[in-house]
Amino acid sequence: DAKTTQPTSMDCAEGRAANLPCNHSTISGNEYVYWYRQIHSQGPQYIIHGLKNNETNEMASLIITEDRKSSTLILPHATLRDTAVYYCIVRPTNYGQNFVFGPGTRLSVLP
Amino acid sequence: GAVVSQHPSWVICKSGTSVKIECRSLDFQATTMFWYRQFPKQSLMLMATSNEGSKATYEQGVEKDKFLINHASLTLSTLTVTSAHPEDSSFYICSAREGAGTYEQYFGPGTRLTVT
Repeated sequence: DAKTTQPTSMDCAEGRAANLPCNHSTISGNEYVYWYRQIHSQGPQYIIHGLKNNETNEMASLIITEDRKSSTLILPHATLRDTAVYYCIVRPTNYGQNFVFGPGTRLSVLP
Repeated sequence: GAVVSQHPSWVICKSGTSVKIECRSLDFQATTMFWYRQFPKQSLMLMATSNEGSKATYEQGVEKDKFLINHASLTLSTLTVTSAHPEDSSFYICSAREGAGTYEQYFGPGTRLTVT
């Protein structure tokens, strides 16, 4: 079972920041938070991941609360091409564990 | 980043026939490959895990005799849907993981199977 809860859907205006929340209250000390997204009829695309520090890359920023029980993915300037389902996944660092996908958040970027 | 390809990207087959889907790691050697299935408006569900040179491990409820998985080389895994039926119509996605000691997984673009 997925260990995260996310809102079912969200809307965001084009050009504005999209903030996607994720709750993972049962996260363990050795589990990372990963974010993937899936554009319609494509495979999942890696966005970012982190353990406890905030992370930023060319696609997004990941803000993890100090207690690690929740996180927020930030797309700083959403475009229409960012419309997708966003999956927040917690996963241990142990080799052998695969990704368990929950239902994700369907983000619609509106013009 | 590492690239995983799938072939074909879409396929239509008649009920009762078999269809093979290929998953290739293009610029790395994948000791482990995963096969997922995704029905419309649903999330990805893991079907099976395969390690190069050994038998695949199937998730509960997935028929191993119907979904044949072969991982004969470090860059290729195949999924064969045998005696396909309309209910097997789905989006099949593979992912691959590089060698021992790593945990990054790279996903393929998916294969849309339609059984008529």
